[in-house]
Amino acid sequence: DIQMTQSPSSLSASVGDRVTITCRASQSISNYLNWYQQKPGKAPNLLVSAASSLQRGVPSRFSGSGSGTDFTLTISSLQPEDFAAYFCQQSYSTPLTFGGGTKLEIK
Amino acid sequence: QVQLVQSGAEVKKPGASVRVSCKASGYTFANYYLHWVRQAPGQGLEWMGMIDPSDVTTNYAQKFQGRVTMTRDTSTSTVYMELNSLKSEDTAVYYCAREETCSGGRRCWFGPWGQGTLVTVSS
Repeated sequence: DIQMTQSPSSLSASVGDRVTITCRASQSISNYLNWYQQKPGKAPNLLVSAASSLQRGVPSRFSGSGSGTDFTLTISSLQPEDFAAYFCQQSYSTPLTFGGGTKLEIK
Repeated sequence: QVQLVQSGAEVKKPGASVRVSCKASGYTFANYYLHWVRQAPGQGLEWMGMIDPSDVTTNYAQKFQGRVTMTRDTSTSTVYMELNSLKSEDTAVYYCAREETCSGGRRCWFGPWGQGTLVTVSS
């Protein structure tokens, strides 16, 4: 199974800050890496697919990068609605696996 | 618009079974794989398996092999996930999610998700 290690597990930041979340795969997954945002009591929502493709309707302050084993999700200027949990997920092979999540909290 | 609507919350005793449904609408049911993902309270996301609604092919996570069954009803565009021999550790929100189509020969990302179904296992 491919293990996904996400860091940090939690992060306190302020509105306007730039934040970066990292995700590392236990083996190369090319660009088969997706990022989701999850707000309390809601299902996850796709932000970025194939490592760097921003989904329609997702603000441009979000960006994804990386290939192989190392990936990042960057939020260039945090907005109040961005405080949520974020998960990476590999779609390279089954079993599909997720990172442990990053809880982004208001400082 | 594409929608996945799941059945309501369930409370079960240890050892029992639960069946959760996921009704799809707004697209051609047979054209997209559907997956089940669960999330224990305050925890991360765990993939359980997937079903191809066009031919009922399934692929289950090893952890759930022998305990989970995924089926579909094409007449109602509904997929079902049945989990047997429930334990307290199975208490979680269970989601269905549609896999989008992409090139490359590997799995793709999840687009629409159901709203989630809370399954509580308690004596």
